[in-house]
Amino acid sequence: AQKVTQAQTEISVVEKEDVTLDCVYETRDTTYYLFWYKQPPSGELVFLIRRNSFDEQNEISGRYSWNFQKSTSSFNFTITASQVVDSAVYFCALRLPSGTYKYIFGTGTRLKVLA
Amino acid sequence: DSGVTQTPKHLITATGQRVTLRCSPRSGDLSVYWYQQSLDQGLQFLIQYYNGEERAKGNILERFSAQQFPDLHSELNLSSLELGDSALYFCASSAPGLAGGETQYFGPGTRLLVL
Repeated sequence: AQKVTQAQTEISVVEKEDVTLDCVYETRDTTYYLFWYKQPPSGELVFLIRRNSFDEQNEISGRYSWNFQKSTSSFNFTITASQVVDSAVYFCALRLPSGTYKYIFGTGTRLKVLA
Repeated sequence: DSGVTQTPKHLITATGQRVTLRCSPRSGDLSVYWYQQSLDQGLQFLIQYYNGEERAKGNILERFSAQQFPDLHSELNLSSLELGDSALYFCASSAPGLAGGETQYFGPGTRLLVL
């Protein structure tokens, strides 16, 4: 069975602190995609990153970075020097391109960045 | 602004009724996806259409149906509504390519309240 686990329900940090959001996934498929989405208080969903299962390179985009490790089935997301505008719910998702193209979301991590 | 539009923004209806949610994808995008976000179930993938044809099916109830029209807009029909159908319904669109790994652009959502 496929599953995405975001064990951290809510995290609070003070502005400028670094914070890591954990994502652990389960699948027996060898080809899959992993995603992170941001849902700010306004409610819309914003795509942040996509990773395919064959690309384990870590990625950095400004203050955001992602650590993909197949050995531990994890795809963690780190925000460096957090800002109040980073306050949102962050979702990790797994997409299986074969068969039924299943799309499985984690339960989300609510990040509160305090000024 | 993602370029994906959804109407209506809010919808209040009664149990047993039927509603139609509408989504217009970004110009040029051939795929449309529907998602449901509720407090109980979290974020769930419902269904995907690609150029008018059903591509993938997720946790969509039999009371729900969708279609994508020749002009690529999509409608999600929800019938025999129950209290538990109250949720935020998102539509997303993506351009062709990277089967399973496309970047999705989300609309602002339709908030449905069933009384």
